[in-house]
Amino acid sequence: KQEVTQIPAALSVPEGENLVLNCSFTDSAIYNLQWFRQDPGKGLTSLLLIQSSQREQTSGRLNASLDKSSGRSTLYIAASQPGDSATYLCAVFRANAGKSTFGDGTTLTVKP
Amino acid sequence: SQTIHQWPATLVQPVGSPLSLECTVEGTSNPNLYWYRQAAGRGLQLLFYSVGIGQISSEVPQNLSASRPQDRQFILSSKKLLLSDSGFYLCAWNRGGYYNEQFFGPGTRLTVL
Repeated sequence: KQEVTQIPAALSVPEGENLVLNCSFTDSAIYNLQWFRQDPGKGLTSLLLIQSSQREQTSGRLNASLDKSSGRSTLYIAASQPGDSATYLCAVFRANAGKSTFGDGTTLTVKP
Repeated sequence: SQTIHQWPATLVQPVGSPLSLECTVEGTSNPNLYWYRQAAGRGLQLLFYSVGIGQISSEVPQNLSASRPQDRQFILSSKKLLLSDSGFYLCAWNRGGYYNEQFFGPGTRLTVL
């Protein structure tokens, strides 16, 4: 059974700091890993998708890496801003299962 | 471009009443469709998913059911709501196949009293 863990559960940083969010998974048989952002009371917004054959993806100030063999992914946020405050979730799409397993998320607060 | 809709946005229902939540996707055909529930302060729990009309897979035994009467329509139902059914219900879709980026709707906040 696939398990996805996100550590830390909450993180508070001052504005301008670079930060890393972590995601680990137990079964390396995945098609892809996806990072999402969720604002309070809202749906999930897709940030980055990394295919199992890829090592990283970048979008603006965000960079996501994937090490499938060790079951780890990181989301790097450069020069954090108060508008980055949200809950960040990772999800792994399991091979031959047609469905994803989600972590519980990391709630990020960026203080002005 | 593709768009996913959910309604209603919020719902307050008494225990024992029926439920019907609707999700529709525009701008694509034959999507995979998913229903998730997110309890307060917790992660997403997959409830149902569908790879085609009339094809529904259930992940968690419960008093909820799902139907897919049309290609881009996914409905979540219950005959009698329980207090434990309260939560944030999210519909999602992806194209299937190898590239499986998942997209979510705005969600429905259900409170059962």
